[in-house]
Amino acid sequence: ETGVTQSPTHLIKTRGQQVTLRCSSQSGHNTVSWYQQALGQGPQFIFQYYREEENGRGNFPPRFSGLQFPNYSSELNVNALELDDSALYLCASSPPGGDGTGELFFGEGSRLTVL
Amino acid sequence: DQQVKQNSPSLSVQEGRISILNCDYTNSMFDYFLWYKKYPAEGPTFLISISSIKDKNEDGRFTVFLNKSAKHLSLHIVPSQPGDSAVYFCAASALSNYQLIWGAGTKLIIKP
Repeated sequence: ETGVTQSPTHLIKTRGQQVTLRCSSQSGHNTVSWYQQALGQGPQFIFQYYREEENGRGNFPPRFSGLQFPNYSSELNVNALELDDSALYLCASSPPGGDGTGELFFGEGSRLTVL
Repeated sequence: DQQVKQNSPSLSVQEGRISILNCDYTNSMFDYFLWYKKYPAEGPTFLISISSIKDKNEDGRFTVFLNKSAKHLSLHIVPSQPGDSAVYFCAASALSNYQLIWGAGTKLIIKP
């Protein structure tokens, strides 16, 4: 069974640039969520995708957008990067129906640094 | 507005002793509480959860206790082992919602 994989693992961008982060969900999982974890804080929910549609969104501006593809993989796009966007971006997947507890399966994350 | 709080940034425990990690929450609508463990350069991994209708859940060395009246939960690890050294996050979810609300984490250090 293949777990959640994310790419790239590290990247450096400058203010105003755009970035795309990628995620392959765990085999059999059809729901993907993205979280932002700033240094010293817990992860913050960005949005969730289910069946290629955004299924919920946290308190993030529209310059954070995403996609889910038919194979359930997903992208997170951030436009007009700001210094505060520097963080670890975590992708998590969950199986069809889930178990109701909210258990998620995480990738190792993409560390974004904005200079 | 922090709905889930972990007030201890770090905790140091002797190997073999009990580790107790604490978490407080403010939203009485949460249905499940989860504990995740995170090693450096890895994503969080699920450890144990508890439903809001229970007060205790046990899995091997890990036990989670829930006190709904105090809006408090704790994770007990007995006995503590060196491999338990990691950052532990408390998270909460509501069945009507789709997101996990996380605390800031507690770094657990197990001393030999």
